[in-house]
Amino acid sequence: AQKITQTQPGMFVQEKEAVTLDCTYDTSDQSYGLFWYKQPSSGEMIFLIYQGSYDEQNATEGRYSLNFQKARKSANLVISASQLGDSAMYFCAMREGPIYNQGGKLIFGQGTELSVKP
Amino acid sequence: NAGVTQTPKFRVLKTGQSMTLLCAQDMNHEYMYWYRQDPGMGLRLIHYSVGEGTTAKGEVPDGYNVSRLKKQNFLLGLESAAPSQTSVYFCASKSPVAGRNSYEQYFGPGTRLTVT
Repeated sequence: AQKITQTQPGMFVQEKEAVTLDCTYDTSDQSYGLFWYKQPSSGEMIFLIYQGSYDEQNATEGRYSLNFQKARKSANLVISASQLGDSAMYFCAMREGPIYNQGGKLIFGQGTELSVKP
Repeated sequence: NAGVTQTPKFRVLKTGQSMTLLCAQDMNHEYMYWYRQDPGMGLRLIHYSVGEGTTAKGEVPDGYNVSRLKKQNFLLGLESAAPSQTSVYFCASKSPVAGRNSYEQYFGPGTRLTVT
């Protein structure tokens, strides 16, 4: 069965430093997608970055990059130059099956709470 | 565009009462989803829909029903609320069309439901 594991319940990082949030996944599908979402204290879910299982390059979006290691089944989020506004809960998620499969359902990890210190 | 909206934002129910949560999206998305988020946990899929008139069960469907009579709306019903259904409920929508933005699920702001 598909599963997402985030082993870091909480992380601290100094402002302007980089931080890596861990995510490992388990799936028997060859085609799948990996996502990171940010949830600030206000509660909304904010999409950050996406990586397809067949994408050869690691995804990047501004200060966010996804360190995709397919053989190790890991999809870690790297935030460079942390800012105070990065303090939030971060969720890793996986789409089951190919991108055009029925439904595009997501499975979420339990999240990592990131605190950025000034 | 308003994106994905949810009504209501907060609700308190007594055990056994019923209610309906409304999700509306103005992005013409085919796919819509209902998730619940319990404290300290990630989101779990309750039900989803791949088009008007279609619904399917997700990971935690028991105690909930859904309907998708119009493409832009996805309703989540609790027929007889239980304290275990105290949670934050998120609606999301997605386009099945190919393209970069098709990857992303767009989330509503959430509904905080307390069942006493």
